[in-house]
Amino acid sequence: GAVVSQHPSWVICKSGTSVKIECRSLDFQATTMFWYRQFPKQSLMLMATSNEGSKATYEQGVEKDKFLINHASLTLSTLTVTSAHPEDSSFYICSARGGRVGRPQHFGDGTRLSIL
Amino acid sequence: AQKITQTQPGMFVQEKEAVTLDCTYDTSDPSYGLFWYKQPSSGEMIFLIYQGSYDQQNATEGRYSLNFQKARKSANLVISASQLGDSAMYFCAMREGQGAGGGNKLTFGTGTQLKVEL
Repeated sequence: GAVVSQHPSWVICKSGTSVKIECRSLDFQATTMFWYRQFPKQSLMLMATSNEGSKATYEQGVEKDKFLINHASLTLSTLTVTSAHPEDSSFYICSARGGRVGRPQHFGDGTRLSIL
Repeated sequence: AQKITQTQPGMFVQEKEAVTLDCTYDTSDPSYGLFWYKQPSSGEMIFLIYQGSYDQQNATEGRYSLNFQKARKSANLVISASQLGDSAMYFCAMREGQGAGGGNKLTFGTGTQLKVEL
């Protein structure tokens, strides 16, 4: 069964709307979660690393004020796309990793965001 | 320089045949992990197999095996007895460092689109 749950799976909304995406680890505690963005037929690009109880670490070129990340508990991280515009339309996917060495990152099912 | 290189944008294989998906990597960190993920058209990322840089043997998971050639910095995925359901995008990824904490990010290759034919 899924170990990382991501919600919602699909969002269509008007330009200017803010959209919140949730990522939950279901059966383990994740001090660190990761947020990726994927354009059609392209690879996953890491946007930011979400750290429980502290500020997220953003990759170069990712706007912190545009993509707000909150990791308030050991099982939940949220990504808020603020004032979304059509160019923010993409597939967003989160992941979390269990604590043991060698454990893979488990991914959520992703969120398809379409801004009209 | 690309950290993970997948040179095959697309591959075709006949059902029941074996197929090898190429992956080369670049790192100066002696401690790293290599992963393969499958992404069907529905979008979810499915973990297939893991190889640690210090692992002595090639990793195997069912029909998946990883041909790890450390000196060549390659980590090719071999799928045996291909099935129609194997048609998907396959990504190779690397995590540098093997700390016990969860903080190491993954770097992905550009992926290989595999199509299994009858």
